[in-house]
Amino acid sequence: ETGVTQTPRHLVMGMTNKKSLKCEQHLGHNAMYWYKQSAKKPLELMFVYNFKEQTENNSVPSRFSPECPNSSHLFLHLHTLQPEDSALYLCASSQGHTNEKLFFGSGTQLSVL
Amino acid sequence: DQQVKQNSPSLSVQEGRISILNCDYTNSMFDYFLWYKKYPAEGPTFLISISSIKDKNEDGRFTVFLNKSAKHLSLHIVPSQPGDSAVYFCAASPGTSGTYKYIFGTGTRLKVLA
Repeated sequence: ETGVTQTPRHLVMGMTNKKSLKCEQHLGHNAMYWYKQSAKKPLELMFVYNFKEQTENNSVPSRFSPECPNSSHLFLHLHTLQPEDSALYLCASSQGHTNEKLFFGSGTQLSVL
Repeated sequence: DQQVKQNSPSLSVQEGRISILNCDYTNSMFDYFLWYKKYPAEGPTFLISISSIKDKNEDGRFTVFLNKSAKHLSLHIVPSQPGDSAVYFCAASPGTSGTYKYIFGTGTRLKVLA
C-alpha cells in the first residue's frame, strides 16, 4: 500500500453531476489536506483537517464540500462544478504539527465539461 | 499576489552538470522551506527542507541554500542525472504556531539532457 491513495485517478463530469473524490492515508497521520493544481498556477490549499476537525477553508466555493470521517479518510464532494474547476486535485497528509513535510497522493485529474 | 515565486518555468541542463533552481518569497514571516519534485501522473514527493535558522542544508546530491536578507532560496543538484527530470516546487510555511499552511510556487520544469 502506498502512503496516500487517491481515487479515482481521472474523472470527467458534467456541470450538473455530483461526484466525490476519495483519499486514504496509511501513515498514521493526523492532518489531511486538499490542494488544487491548475495549469501554470501554484498549488492552492483548499481545506485542512487536523484530528478530523476542519482548521482551514481557503475561501473555497461551496460547490466543493469536504468530509473527514476519520483521520485516515478524506473526501471531496463535488456538485454543479464549472469548467474552470478542471484541475488536478491532490490530497496530502502530515503528522499535524508545524513545519513538517506533506505526503501527497497521485491526484485526481478532473475535467468538467 | 504570489508570495512564493519561481520565475523560471523551465530549465535544461546537461547530464553531470549542476542544476540550480531558484525561488523567491515576499513574506518575511516564512521560516520553513521545502522543495518537492513531481513526475507526470504522480503526486509531489518531498526532496529537502531548510529552516530559517540555517543557510544551507545538504542531502546527497541536493543542497538548498537560503538567503534570508534577499528572501531567496535555491536548490542545487550536483551532478544532474536524467532521472532528475521533473517539475520542482518550492514551498514556504508562515511558521505561525499551529499552522500547517504551505504556500507553493508555480514550479520549474527541469530537463536533464543525456
